Amino acid sequence: KAGVTQTPRYLIKTRGQQVTLSCSPISGHRSVSWYQQTPGQGLQFLFEYFSETQRNKGNFPGRFSGRQFSNSRSEMNVSTLELGDSALYLCASSLVPGDQPQHFGDGTRLSIL
Amino acid sequence: AQTVTQSQPEMSVQEAETVTLSCTYDTSESDYYLFWYKQPPSRQMILVIRQEAYKQQNATENRFSVNFQKAAKSFSLKISDSQLGDAAMYFCAYRSANSGYALNFGKGTSLLVTP
Repeated sequence: KAGVTQTPRYLIKTRGQQVTLSCSPISGHRSVSWYQQTPGQGLQFLFEYFSETQRNKGNFPGRFSGRQFSNSRSEMNVSTLELGDSALYLCASSLVPGDQPQHFGDGTRLSIL
Repeated sequence: AQTVTQSQPEMSVQEAETVTLSCTYDTSESDYYLFWYKQPPSRQMILVIRQEAYKQQNATENRFSVNFQKAAKSFSLKISDSQLGDAAMYFCAYRSANSGYALNFGKGTSLLVTP
């Protein structure tokens, strides 16, 4: 069974641009969560989607948004990029919310110039 | 909000030896889960071991075991017979229904394994 797939693996953008990251969960998994990892703040929860609905959200500004499609694939979007948005963005999936364990992808490394 | 603290930014262990990584957490909840995740340079977060708070017995997974002290809010990870492949960042994490099952991570401990 394929694992969690995140694309692209690396991304370079400039300030003010917007970016979309993609996450394909493990087949059959319907819950997808996103995390941001930075050296300063560590790992922080962004949001979780289940059945195409956002069911939980972390403490991030409205520039960070996401969505989930009927096949459970999820995208997250960051608008008006800032230097501080440079991070590793990790996606995790599980069968349903709260199911153990969550399986993580390899992440997308986003660099803002 | 729950706080997870890993007080050791870096640890070093010799191959075949045992090392213990520390984790403390702050919560007023009684029902929650605790995890140790490993993140090698490949970046993927790999679940090492998990513990349900209602279980008094400490979890074990092969060479990995935990010392769960609920009253002290402590959750340490012991790695026995350390191997070179154990070198990685190790994150302690907390999760509960009240927080919507979002993982709350500590800052991590970088483990170096020397031959």
